[in-house]
Amino acid sequence: QITLRESGPTLVQPTQTLTLTCSFSGFTLGTTGVTVGWIRQSPGKALEWIALLRWDDDKQYSPSLKSRLTFSKDTSQSQVVLTMTNVDPLDTGTYYCARAVIPASTFDFWGPGTLVTVSS
Amino acid sequence: DIQMTQSPSTLSASVGDRVTITCRASQSISNKLAWYQQKPGKAPRLLIYKASTVERGVPSRFRGSGSGTEFTLTITSLQPDDFVTYYCQQYNSFWTFGQGTKVDIK
Repeated sequence: QITLRESGPTLVQPTQTLTLTCSFSGFTLGTTGVTVGWIRQSPGKALEWIALLRWDDDKQYSPSLKSRLTFSKDTSQSQVVLTMTNVDPLDTGTYYCARAVIPASTFDFWGPGTLVTVSS
Repeated sequence: DIQMTQSPSTLSASVGDRVTITCRASQSISNKLAWYQQKPGKAPRLLIYKASTVERGVPSRFRGSGSGTEFTLTITSLQPDDFVTYYCQQYNSFWTFGQGTKVDIK
């Protein structure tokens, strides 16, 4: 059974760094073709892809956010961590992690999401 | 960046209706198009990938078609559980979602 779950702070102050963790089970990130991505959704708005980490440790970032993002995995291969620097109230939203398997490259399993509010 | 434009933004329909949602890409994406369903407060659910392949476990009333820049999602007979929001997504170059189509009860 494949599951993912996001964790992190619910409230972050502007200009601070946001750190989100995605813990997953039922698959191994080290398996060829397996990737984990982050997608966010501002309240009442559409979905926005922000980052992806591949099985070979290659990372891809949304061009609009690239300078503020770092995506890494832990040695156990069952957690990934996304950091976003210099957050702004516009970064408020629900952050989802999800799995995609190449070549399909569509997000077939998602976590329930975690709501992050950026406010002073 | 590839932009995805969905229409309509809102669609009013009744149980049993056949409805179609359109998604247009700003440039050709071949068949690298997926459709998701999102219920309020929940994560999206993958319905269709490669423009027309139905994900396992998804009811057969959901159908996708198209290629290049124009795609459609058709629900052949709306059920009460289908009155939620739908998103298209391209994965030809990075990943971009459309702005969503909310299907509500007429």
